[in-house]
Order: sequence, then C-alpha cells, then structure tokens
Amino acid sequence: DIQMTQSPSSLSASVGDRVTITCRASQSISSYLNWYQQKPGKAPKLLIYAASSLQSGVPSRFSGSGSGTDFTLTISSLQPEDFATYYCQQSYSTPSGFGQGTRLEIK
Amino acid sequence: EVQLVQSGAEVKKPGESLKISCKGSGYSFTSYWIGWVRQMPGKGLEWMGIIYPGDSDTRYSPSFQGQVTISADKSISTAYLQWSSLKASDTAMYYCARSLRVTTLSPFYYGMDVWGQGTTVTVSS
Repeated sequence: DIQMTQSPSSLSASVGDRVTITCRASQSISSYLNWYQQKPGKAPKLLIYAASSLQSGVPSRFSGSGSGTDFTLTISSLQPEDFATYYCQQSYSTPSGFGQGTRLEIK
Repeated sequence: EVQLVQSGAEVKKPGESLKISCKGSGYSFTSYWIGWVRQMPGKGLEWMGIIYPGDSDTRYSPSFQGQVTISADKSISTAYLQWSSLKASDTAMYYCARSLRVTTLSPFYYGMDVWGQGTTVTVSS
C-alpha cells in the first residue's frame, strides 16, 4: 500500500500569513493527489484534486503543486475561516489512503 | 441539490450487528463511486472501501477487508456499510462520499467531492 506522510503535524499562523503544507508519498503517484479541509464536527471538504486543480467554489488563495512523491498545499493569505485540519489523499490506486493530517491553528 | 444523507446515530453493544446507510440525491447515482471513511474520536481519516453502484464493483482497504461489508442498492440510490459483530474499537464517525467514475482513471482521481453528514457509531457494553 502507498503511505502518505504530511508535515508538519500542526502549525500556528496568523491571519494574512502564507502557509505551506507538505505531503509525501512512499512511491510515485504522478499527480494523483487530493487535498481536503476539515473543521471540527464537520465532514471533510475537497479543496484540490489531481495535485493542482482547484475544486469548484474553493477560493483562489488555495493552490496545490507537485508530482511524483512530493506535494504541497499553499494558502496564500490565511483567512479566519481557514483554521482547520488539512488532509492529503492519494488517488493513484486502491487502497487509497490519507495523510495523518495537519492542524492549522491561530497564533 | 446534490447531497448524500446518512442514517442517524447508533448506540450498540459489542457483538451486535449494524447496517448504516447513505442515500444519494440530485445526481446520477450510477455515475459515481461511493466511498466510506472512518474517523475515530480525535483521530484522522481512514479510507475503508469503495463501491460502484452500477455493477457493485467493490474494493476494500486491507485494514477493513473481512471486518465490514459494503453494498449498494441502485434502485433506491443508497449505499450501505455493515458489521456482523461490532467491537468497542468500531466506535467512530463514519462518512460516505462520492467520487466521479471515469473508466480510464482511478476511482478517486477527481476527489471525493460530496460528503454525507456522518453517522456516529458508539459500541459500548
């Protein structure tokens, strides 16, 4: 199975900051990588699919990049509603799998 | 409106059986995979398995193979997750989510774009 590792596990930042979260796959997954946001008590929300494609309705301050084994999610200017937990998911093969999550907290 | 509506919270005893549901509406149910995701209290997301209701093609995570059964009834646009004998360690939130089916691509290429509200399962003696 392909293992997904995110870093950091948690991150403190301020409104207006630029933030980058990293996801690494245990083997090459081309661009088969999705990103989700989850707020407490809510279902996850798809942000990015195929490594860099912005899901409809998602603000343009979110962007994704990478291919092969290394991927990043960038939030260009943090807004108050962005404080949440973020997960990557490999979509290269089944079984699929998620990273362990990155908790983004207010500094 | 496109939505997945899950059945309500369940409280069960160890050893009991359970079947929870996920009903799709507002879209062509047989054009999408339905996946199930577990989230244990305070923990991350775990992919359990996926089913294509059009032909019942089902794939499981090795971690959940033999522990749960995923099924679907396309006539009523509903997918199911069931246990034959619950354990305390099955206590978790369970989400269903859809993913567009494109035969030449992996099931999650376009991501899981619509999620159910979640079903809380509590297993306690």
